[in-house]
Amino acid sequence: ETTLTQSPAFMSATPGDKVNISCKASRDTDDDMNWYQQKPGEAAIFIIREASTLVPGIPPRFSGSGYGTEFTLTINNIQSEDAAYYFCLQHDKFPYTFGQGTKLEIK
Amino acid sequence: QITLKESGPTLVKPTQTLTLTCTFSGFSLSTSGVGVGWIRQPPGKALEWLALIYWDDDKRYRPSLRTRLAITKDTSKNQVVLTMTNMDPVDTGTYYCAHKRFGEVNWGQGTLVTVSS
Repeated sequence: ETTLTQSPAFMSATPGDKVNISCKASRDTDDDMNWYQQKPGEAAIFIIREASTLVPGIPPRFSGSGYGTEFTLTINNIQSEDAAYYFCLQHDKFPYTFGQGTKLEIK
Repeated sequence: QITLKESGPTLVKPTQTLTLTCTFSGFSLSTSGVGVGWIRQPPGKALEWLALIYWDDDKRYRPSLRTRLAITKDTSKNQVVLTMTNMDPVDTGTYYCAHKRFGEVNWGQGTLVTVSS
């Protein structure tokens, strides 16, 4: 099973900041890595596919990068509505696995 | 627009079998490359993918739960059913139905299942 180590587990940011969230895989996953945003009580929102492709309708302040075992979700110009959990998903090899999640707080 | 809706019991007793149904719209499970699966999240823990069935009836199961899981599809009804036998309190959590087609993976709102006597 591919383990995804996501960091940090918690972070706090101020509106206008830039933040990076890391996801490291225990084996090569090519670019089969997605990122999601989830707020309490709501369905997860698909924000980045295949490591770096922005899902249609997602603001361009979100971006993804990486390949193989190291991936990063970057949020530029943080807005208050970006407060949420963020997590990665590898869909390269079954069982697909998830990162533990990052809770992003906006001050 | 893809929608996925999970249905099933909210409470099951230990040793019972859980049966969950996913009813979906916005895509067909007969389309090449499409899969529907099940994900769960125990309280306070990470998401874990349980099972996946593809358009061609290829099935995948989480190895640690393989003996307890069965996934089936009814393409005409746009439904996928997951059964999990011998339920235990550690199986308590929110269960989600997911759609996959190549790099696109989405899932529904989920349904909370509690295992308790």
